[in-house]
Amino acid sequence: AQTVTQSQPEMSVQEAETVTLSCTYDTSESDYYLFWYKQPPSRQMILVIRQEAYKQQNATENRFSVNFQKAAKSFSLKISDSQLGDAAMYFCAYAGNNRKLIWGLGTSLAVNP
Amino acid sequence: NAGVMQNPRHLVRRRGQEARLRCSPMKGHSHVYWYRQLPEEGLKFMVYLQKENIIDESGMPKERFSAEFPKEGPSILRIQQVVRGDSAAYFCASSPSGYGTGGNEQFFGPGTRLTVL
Repeated sequence: AQTVTQSQPEMSVQEAETVTLSCTYDTSESDYYLFWYKQPPSRQMILVIRQEAYKQQNATENRFSVNFQKAAKSFSLKISDSQLGDAAMYFCAYAGNNRKLIWGLGTSLAVNP
Repeated sequence: NAGVMQNPRHLVRRRGQEARLRCSPMKGHSHVYWYRQLPEEGLKFMVYLQKENIIDESGMPKERFSAEFPKEGPSILRIQQVVRGDSAAYFCASSPSGYGTGGNEQFFGPGTRLTVL
């Protein structure tokens, strides 16, 4: 069975600086997708970025980028120029052949002014 | 285009009562997923439905829980005879395409927070 592990329950970053959130996963599938979702205090789940496993190029979305290491089964999220609005829970998620999302336990990110 | 809508946003039930959670997918989306989030945990998949069909219910408890997505109207997650352990946030997501179509993004509703007294 697939698993997703986020080893950092809590992280903090100074405003305008860069932070990296870690995610590792375990799977025997070769075709899959990886996602980072943000859950602010409103509890709305918002997609931040996604990565197709067959693509070698790391996905980027404005200040958000990933470091996808397929062999190591690692999928970290880098947030550049952190803003106060980035404070939230961040979840890493995996979708394999059956497309249902398998979730990590989340990392709570605090942004200090 | 309105997003995924869930109601109620908060639901309080006493032990033994029934809870009905509703989810209206985004316009044009025919695939609905339900997830449960316990306090301090990530989301856990419960069930995946297409119009009038349950595609995958592998995450759904065998007893007391049921889900439907009728031809007309919202998807309903029904919990009978609720217990305190059912207290959680229940999220619904929808997508325009389901399995085998390439990891299409699932769009999430705001969730229903169920509290069982």
